[in-house]
Amino acid sequence: DAKTTQPTSMDCAEGRAANLPCNHSTISGNEYVYWYRQIHSQGPQYIIHGLKNNETNEMASLIITEDRKSSTLILPHATLRDTAVYYCIVRVGGADGLTFGKGTHLIIQP
Amino acid sequence: SQTIHQWPATLVQPVGSPLSLECTVEGTSNPNLYWYRQAAGRGLQLLFYSVGIGQISSEVPQNLSASRPQDRQFILSSKKLLLSDSGFYLCAWSLASSTDTQYFGPGTRLTVL
Repeated sequence: DAKTTQPTSMDCAEGRAANLPCNHSTISGNEYVYWYRQIHSQGPQYIIHGLKNNETNEMASLIITEDRKSSTLILPHATLRDTAVYYCIVRVGGADGLTFGKGTHLIIQP
Repeated sequence: SQTIHQWPATLVQPVGSPLSLECTVEGTSNPNLYWYRQAAGRGLQLLFYSVGIGQISSEVPQNLSASRPQDRQFILSSKKLLLSDSGFYLCAWSLASSTDTQYFGPGTRLTVL
């Protein structure tokens, strides 16, 4: 699986959009970009994934650059409950496990 | 909808004692199942995964073992716990597909004293 690079931590004001970047410059053509988050002492929660096109669901939007070397997860209206560690993972689909890096600790400020 | 359960939620065990953690999935058939461990201050590490009953793949050699006696049941065991086995144990499931999105359970926090 390709390696990803994320900022260690970010702050965002409550009610504003939180934009979390991820670099994956060695991504290959058949690798998906996944985002998970982990709230303290809970299991990781799946957020969204994409291959080439931008994706949106009820939780977030995923913007993937045209060259697929980076992506941004957007939480449109951050709340205090969005404070968590966010993981960007690049992988080919299949039954093998996920490789989690250190992620970005997002802190939503009131 | 699918639901994943893990128990117990927390566990404190002495060194050298046995371990059995259970994970069950509801609302789906023939899922892929996974055990991960998250040690304090560290990332998630895949321990085992299973694509079917009795089929177990081990990712990291250690004193833990896994079994899948039923389609939607995954068990993590140890005969003798070590201090280094302390951590947050997470079970996950996915459906065989082009993406195999994994969904995690609530976890079991194990402390070995």
